[in-house]
Amino acid sequence: QVQLVQSGAEVKKPGASVKVSCKASGYTFTSYYINWVRQAPGQGLEWMGIINPSGGTTSYAQNFQGRVTVTRDTSTSTVYMELSSLRSEDTAVYYCAREYCPAGSCPDYWGQGTLVTVSS
Amino acid sequence: SSELTQDPAVSVALGQTVRITCQGDSLRRYNASWYQQKPGQAPVLVISAKINRPSGIPDRFSGSSSGNTASLTITGAQAEDEADYYCNSRDSSANHLRLFGGGTKLTVL
Repeated sequence: QVQLVQSGAEVKKPGASVKVSCKASGYTFTSYYINWVRQAPGQGLEWMGIINPSGGTTSYAQNFQGRVTVTRDTSTSTVYMELSSLRSEDTAVYYCAREYCPAGSCPDYWGQGTLVTVSS
Repeated sequence: SSELTQDPAVSVALGQTVRITCQGDSLRRYNASWYQQKPGQAPVLVISAKINRPSGIPDRFSGSSSGNTASLTITGAQAEDEADYYCNSRDSSANHLRLFGGGTKLTVL
């Protein structure tokens, strides 16, 4: 069965960076893009970016340009999302989600989420 | 970039039909997908143009679209349908990007 398993919760200080992992299993890793989506406490879903695990190409939301980097390791079927220059407003649950609709957008399988807390 | 707009909150009586809408220019070009999210849980895909209803999603959930508006309809809402619902699509102004609506809190009375 398809599974996306994310790394554990993180606590970071303002200005630091965080790197969250998302390990995929149960399907051909290079056949589906992976999205990153975050959700601040009590707020809605916010799309951050996407990676094509086959070639490694990425696209990022304008709000995160210059601060977010998504990479992949095909040998371990793992995608990474690194967010730098953290501020308190980056406190959120971060999700990875497999993209099932290459011509549109319909993430079908989601990771369990990783809580990132930014606090001094 | 574009936006997807949803009503913040909608309520429905148990067993009745409710429609949750999502508006945006991107929907003239791209189909919307819909997600249900319950407290403390990851979002769950309930409707997409490609999959329609994923396995395990009750057939009381359906989707439709007209012009710049996509709709999620729940026919015969159940207590367990109380949740937040989000629409999602590609961004037609920058089609390598994706968008989520602000979400609709559905209350089943």
